[in-house]
Amino acid sequence: GAVVSQHPSWVICKSGTSVKIECRSLDFQATTMFWYRQFPKQSLMLMATSNEGSKATYEQGVEKDKFLINHASLTLSTLTVTSAHPEDSSFYICSARDLEREAGELFFGEGSRLTVL
Amino acid sequence: GQSLEQPSEVTAVEGAIVQINCTYQTSGFYGLSWYQQHDGGAPTFLSYNALDGLEETGRFSSFLSRSDSYGYLLLQELQMKDSASYFCAAMNSGYSTLTFGKGTMLLVSP
Repeated sequence: GAVVSQHPSWVICKSGTSVKIECRSLDFQATTMFWYRQFPKQSLMLMATSNEGSKATYEQGVEKDKFLINHASLTLSTLTVTSAHPEDSSFYICSARDLEREAGELFFGEGSRLTVL
Repeated sequence: GQSLEQPSEVTAVEGAIVQINCTYQTSGFYGLSWYQQHDGGAPTFLSYNALDGLEETGRFSSFLSRSDSYGYLLLQELQMKDSASYFCAAMNSGYSTLTFGKGTMLLVSP
């Protein structure tokens, strides 16, 4: 099946620093990738839709200047958490859809657990 | 917008059958997906229903009724490894995004 790789899996950073998370589709091209955020024991909340070659579409309430998304190629999207604070600590998961598969099937990366001290 | 309701927790024993229900209120509904997530891991796709009826994939089956805005995931011959969180997710035809329910934690005991 389609594979999505996310890196890093774990990251600890100091408050005020920026952290970049990469999401790659390894065996298919993804014109669209999705970034989710998940707090412990809670649901996945869609943050933004990343579109290759154009600006990301952010969900209501998500600060675009804080969560910078770049989708420079058909296989790579990055999420940068800028000026991170402890409340940004969370599990960030990317996903992508392989257009040759069912519309409702998303392939998820392994997730990145961010801890801001 | 979209909202999905599912039970927060379900318990069962090995070998049993469990049904996890999901009701949704949406605009532009396109289909219903189900995902499994083990603690600390990434969600994995289980099934997708775009049409009414039952879809069967091994021990797991999923059902959709558009007229009732309702679906369910049926897990048969439960195994300990099935202990996980299960999320229903609605496909939005406008943006092709998935909106997830809050998840149902399934606990399978011996």
